[in-house]
This record gives sequence, C-alpha cells and structure tokens, in this order.
Amino acid sequence: NAGVTQTPKFQVLKTGQSMTLQCAQDMNHNSMYWYRQDPGMGLRLIYYSASEGTTDKGEVPNGYNVSRLNKREFSLRLESAAPSQTSVYFCASIRGSTGEQYFGPGTRLTVT
Amino acid sequence: AQSVSQHNHHVILSEAASLELGCNYSYGGTVNLFWYVQYPGQHLQLLLKYFSGDPLVKGIKGFEAEFIKSKFSFNLRKPSVQWSDTAEYFCAVSPKAAGNKLTFGGGTRVLVKP
Repeated sequence: NAGVTQTPKFQVLKTGQSMTLQCAQDMNHNSMYWYRQDPGMGLRLIYYSASEGTTDKGEVPNGYNVSRLNKREFSLRLESAAPSQTSVYFCASIRGSTGEQYFGPGTRLTVT
Repeated sequence: AQSVSQHNHHVILSEAASLELGCNYSYGGTVNLFWYVQYPGQHLQLLLKYFSGDPLVKGIKGFEAEFIKSKFSFNLRKPSVQWSDTAEYFCAVSPKAAGNKLTFGGGTRVLVKP
C-alpha cells in the first residue's frame, strides 16, 4: 500500500493564482482531512469529509474549497491564493474504529 | 471548542537524558488522546494513543504517556533519548462525541545533542 499520497510536493504561486492540491489514499478509509501546518500553531483542520459525498468545514476553511471525488480522492482548491495561505498542507485519512489518522507527506506552498 | 496546550515550544537535551513533554487539554467530556511525531522533512507518524483502560500507555520507540483525567493531561515520556529522537512532537485530542476530528497542540521541537 502507498498509504496517503499528495501532489505536488512543492508549489510557488503568485497572489491571485489558483491551484488544486491532490490527495489519494488506498486504504479504503471512509474519512479524509485537510490540515495546514504553521510554525508554533500545530496542525489546523481546514475541511474534512466523513464519507464519500460529504464535506464539512473545519477550523480554518476561509479561502479554500474541497471536493471528495470518490472514496480514494479528496482535493483542496485555492481559488485566489493569498500570502496568508503560505503553509505546509497535509492530507490525512482515518481508520474509523481506532481514530488513528494516517498522514500524507505534505505539500509546501509559498504564495508571493 | 476544545483546545490543546503544549507547554514547551523547544527542548534541548543530551543523549541518554530523560524526556518529558507536557500536554493539557480543555474539554469536559471523554476524549481520545494521541501523540504524533514529525521527524525532519517527514510527515506525522503516530507514537501512541489512549482510548480507554490503563492510563499508562506505551508506544513505539520506547515512548510512553500517562493520562491523568483529573488534570486533563497526557504527558509524554522517554527515559533515555537518542539523537534519532530529534523531531517535533504533537499532542492531539479527539472528543469521543465529535467523531474523529483532531485538535492539535502547537508542537514541541526536541533537539537531542549527540
């Protein structure tokens, strides 16, 4: 199993540009999550999807949209990037009964 | 909403020293508790977790944590650290009533000097 994969690994955007971060998991997990990691603030939940076809806002959803394309894939879109969105983005999926989240390798995004 | 506090932002140790990282959370109900580790340049990995039962839980790589319900704490310990334990450590809480949503602490960067 590849686990949780994310693309791209690195990205530089200019203010106002848009992009989509891709996430896929091959563990047949129902729930998937998007976090951003900023120094000293830990990980903060942006959006999550409890199951295929559902999405909900997390702690910091402003400026982002998500799509749960199918059970495997959960994408995060920045419609108009801002410097405040410079961060490392992690996708995770969960094995429902244990609550243990499995994380992807992250995408380092810089918005200039 | 729940919150998680990690008291130390940075810790510097020598090899063979003992490590204890503090974690306190604010939430009145029952919770699942986790410690994750992030080695330099890598993604988060689960160190250990507590759901119920024995409040002293053992994880990978010699780490353990103790849940003290009365203090809303879940401190992480390791008796003797190695250089390879250099990493950032995150405490996380998931209220049982909130499904599997995690709230993370701000993290503690640990540097172990050889």
